Amino acid sequence: KQEVTQIPAALSVPEGENLVLNCSFTDSAIYNLQWFRQDPGKGLTSLLLIQSSQREQTSGRLNASLDKSSGRSTLYIAASQPGDSATYLCAVFNNDMRFGAGTRLTVKP
Amino acid sequence: GAVVSQHPSRVICKSGTSVKIECRSLDFQATTMFWYRQFPKQSLMLMATSNEGSKATYEQGVEKDKFLINHASLTLSTLTVTSAHPEDSSFYICSARDMRVREQYFGPGTRLTVT
Repeated sequence: KQEVTQIPAALSVPEGENLVLNCSFTDSAIYNLQWFRQDPGKGLTSLLLIQSSQREQTSGRLNASLDKSSGRSTLYIAASQPGDSATYLCAVFNNDMRFGAGTRLTVKP
Repeated sequence: GAVVSQHPSRVICKSGTSVKIECRSLDFQATTMFWYRQFPKQSLMLMATSNEGSKATYEQGVEKDKFLINHASLTLSTLTVTSAHPEDSSFYICSARDMRVREQYFGPGTRLTVT
């Protein structure tokens, strides 16, 4: 059974810092990996999707990498802003989608 | 992009009653839909996978008689929480798979509160 782990569980940084969120998974036979953002009490917002044949995806200040062989992905956020404060979820997709527990990010002004 | 809707977005019910949540794929056909549950400050946990026209597959520990899933068409799946209790209070999120691109799209979630 696929297990997805996210480190750290929580992170607090001052505005402007660059930061890295980590995700690891136990079964490397994935079809794709997706990063989501979730604001308190809200649904999911898809940030980046990386197909298994890809190594990274970029969108604005966000960059996600995927190393399937080692079962790892990172989400890099450049020049963090208070509006980036949210929970970030990593999910891997094979026959179904399995989520990590998330990283709660707080960016302080 | 593909859109998945859920209805209702929020529901409060009394203990012992049943609640139905609808999940619709608005601009694509979804042979497979998924139901997740999320407790406060926890991640999404897959409850069940529903395939159009067949019985749902439930994850270990999820009571199939309590959480009834019906996927009668390619654009609609329903989750009925039967005889709800306060411990069923949670955020329920559905997801639909678009087989053309093999991606999953998520609904906005339904907040269930059982009093």
